[in-house]
Amino acid sequence: QQPVQSPQAVILREGEDAVINCSSSKALYSVHWYRQKHGEAPVFLMILLKGGEQKGHEKISASFNEKKQQSSLYLTASQLSYSGTYFCGTEFNSGGGADGLTFGKGTHLIIQP
Amino acid sequence: EAQVTQNPRYLITVTGKKLTVTCSQNMNHEYMSWYRQDPGLGLRQIYYSMNVEVTDKGDVPEGYKVSRKEKRNFPLILESPSPNQTSLYFCASSLSGSGYTFGSGTRLTVV
Repeated sequence: QQPVQSPQAVILREGEDAVINCSSSKALYSVHWYRQKHGEAPVFLMILLKGGEQKGHEKISASFNEKKQQSSLYLTASQLSYSGTYFCGTEFNSGGGADGLTFGKGTHLIIQP
Repeated sequence: EAQVTQNPRYLITVTGKKLTVTCSQNMNHEYMSWYRQDPGLGLRQIYYSMNVEVTDKGDVPEGYKVSRKEKRNFPLILESPSPNQTSLYFCASSLSGSGYTFGSGTRLTVV
C-alpha cells in the first residue's frame, strides 16, 4: 500500500518547473508532501485533505484527485534551495493522522545553476 | 521553540543489548509516530500513537516496542537489537489534519 512516486529523480536548471506525482491503490483521506535535504529531517510542505482543503506554505502548489487517488506537487521557477528528496505521505482513515503516514520512496530533485 | 527532540543522535550498540531511543514534543500534539529510513526504501512507519495509552503497529513493527504514558513522550524500545535494525530513525508528531514535525533523527548502528 506504499504510494508510488514518479519520477524517481529529476535534474533541472534553475528557473525551470517540475512536477512530482504520487499515486495510491487505496482510497485516500489526505496526502502530505515533505522535502528532505541530505543529512536532515523531512520538512512539511503541504497537506491536501479529502474535500479540497489545502494547507501549506512556501512557494509551491499541489493538486489532489480524489477519484484517481493521485496527487501532484508543482514546483515553479525552481531555485537552488529546492534541491532535495521529496516524499509524499498518505493517510487512509479520516480524522487526520489516525493511522500515521505511509510514505512513497521519494523523488530526488537536483537543481543546477 | 516548538520542536520534537530525539536522543541520542548517534548510537552504536552490540547485538542483543536492549536500548531506548527517546522522543519528546512540546506542542501538545495528539499524534506521534516512529519511522525508519533506509536507502532506496524511503520512510517506513514502525509504530504510531493517536493519544496517551493508544498505540498501533505500522508497516515494520517487528523487533520494536513503544509506549505512550504521557502525551509529550513516545520512546522507541529495541529489546534485543539485531544488525538488520541498523538504520536512521525519525520520531514525528502532529495535530489532527496538520503536517508532521520531525525530530532530528537517530542514527543507530548494531554490530
